[in-house]
Amino acid sequence: QVHLVESGGDVVQPGGSLRLSCAASGFTFSTYVMHWVRQTPGKGLEWVADIHPDGGNKNFVDSMRGRFAISRDNSRNTVYLQINSLRAEDTAVYYCARDLHWGFDYWGQGTLVTVSS
Amino acid sequence: IAMTQTPLSLSVTPGQPASISCKSSESLLNSDGKTYLFWYLQKPGQSPQLLIYEVSSRFSGVPERFSGSGSGTDFTLKISRVEAEDVGVYYCMQGRHSPLFTFGQGTKLEIK
Repeated sequence: QVHLVESGGDVVQPGGSLRLSCAASGFTFSTYVMHWVRQTPGKGLEWVADIHPDGGNKNFVDSMRGRFAISRDNSRNTVYLQINSLRAEDTAVYYCARDLHWGFDYWGQGTLVTVSS
Repeated sequence: IAMTQTPLSLSVTPGQPASISCKSSESLLNSDGKTYLFWYLQKPGQSPQLLIYEVSSRFSGVPERFSGSGSGTDFTLKISRVEAEDVGVYYCMQGRHSPLFTFGQGTKLEIK
């Protein structure tokens, strides 16, 4: 069955960086668009970015463009989210999710990023 | 695209029906004739799980007591007979303006 496992969340000081990972199994990873979505108490669920199967097409929400980078390694069935210049408002649970034709079907369990000095 | 859910919370007796409304600020009807409105349930301590896609299609394994309806900008999720396992927060989400997906604020369902 489809399984998505995020990792890499941590407590980080403002201005720091983190790379989140999402390991996928149970489906042909290399044929799916993959997404990152974050959840905060204040703003709820917020789509962050996606990456197409060959890694050539990437999209970001405007407010995160520049500080966030998404990549994937189809040989490792893993998608990554790099977050730079972390701010307090980036504190959230970050989920990866599989694409379902203009939506998401399966989500991972999430990884918590806390930005605090 | 703004997504507005009502109510933000509801308390339902087991066996009774429940209904959640979701309104979008723009039509979610796409040029391909499909309407990209999704419903998710986030159970306590878990990640969101897909219930309904394209307004009214139940996802694999979702009980028949869940149904979705609507068109254009107005949508509804109905639970015909609420069970204890249905507690959690329900979210609608639009994919019409993909990749700029947006979610409703969530509706918390609890059992009386």
